[in-house]
Amino acid sequence: AQTVTQSQPEMSVQEAETVTLSCTYDTSENNYYLFWYKQPPSRQMILVIRQEAYKQQNATENRFSVNFQKAAKSFSLKISDSQLGDTAMYFCAFMKTTNYGGSQGNLIFGKGTKLSVKP
Amino acid sequence: DSGVTQTPKHLITATGQRVTLRCSPRSGDLSVYWYQQSLDQGLQFLIQYYNGEERAKGNILERFSAQQFPDLHSELNLSSLELGDSALYFCASSVPSGYTFGSGTRLTVV
Repeated sequence: AQTVTQSQPEMSVQEAETVTLSCTYDTSENNYYLFWYKQPPSRQMILVIRQEAYKQQNATENRFSVNFQKAAKSFSLKISDSQLGDTAMYFCAFMKTTNYGGSQGNLIFGKGTKLSVKP
Repeated sequence: DSGVTQTPKHLITATGQRVTLRCSPRSGDLSVYWYQQSLDQGLQFLIQYYNGEERAKGNILERFSAQQFPDLHSELNLSSLELGDSALYFCASSVPSGYTFGSGTRLTVV
């Protein structure tokens, strides 16, 4: 069975600074995707970034980037130039896929990290 | 807008009662996943339907059931409600690159 661990229950960062959220996972699967989801106070689950396990290049979406270390089963999220709107819960999630990248099962979530961006 | 629609947004009910949560997936999506988010258990997968058929079960209680109709909308039925069932219930559609979530139904059992 797959597990996802987020070891930082809460973090804070000053506006415009950079912060890194940690995530480790355990799986024996070779084909999978990893995700970071953001849940602001509105409670909506918003996809931040996705990483395919077969890709060596780290994913980047504007101010958000990941450090994907497949051998170490580590998947951290870096937020650059933090903004007040980044205040939210951040969830790391794992999804098993087929050999062709199709979804194969449900998302497995970590417990989340509550990030506060301070002015 | 994720394209996944959940109703109602909020629901308050008493212990022992039964409620139905509704989800309409994105147009053309055949799959529906239900998740429960509670303070103590985090986000947990409950059940998956694909084109009307149950595909997978997670940590779903026997008091809970779901179905997916021919028009692909899904309903999650929660019965004999307990205080501990108070949670945010999400449904999600699966797309090749991941999942997209509805805005959730906040259930409060009093």
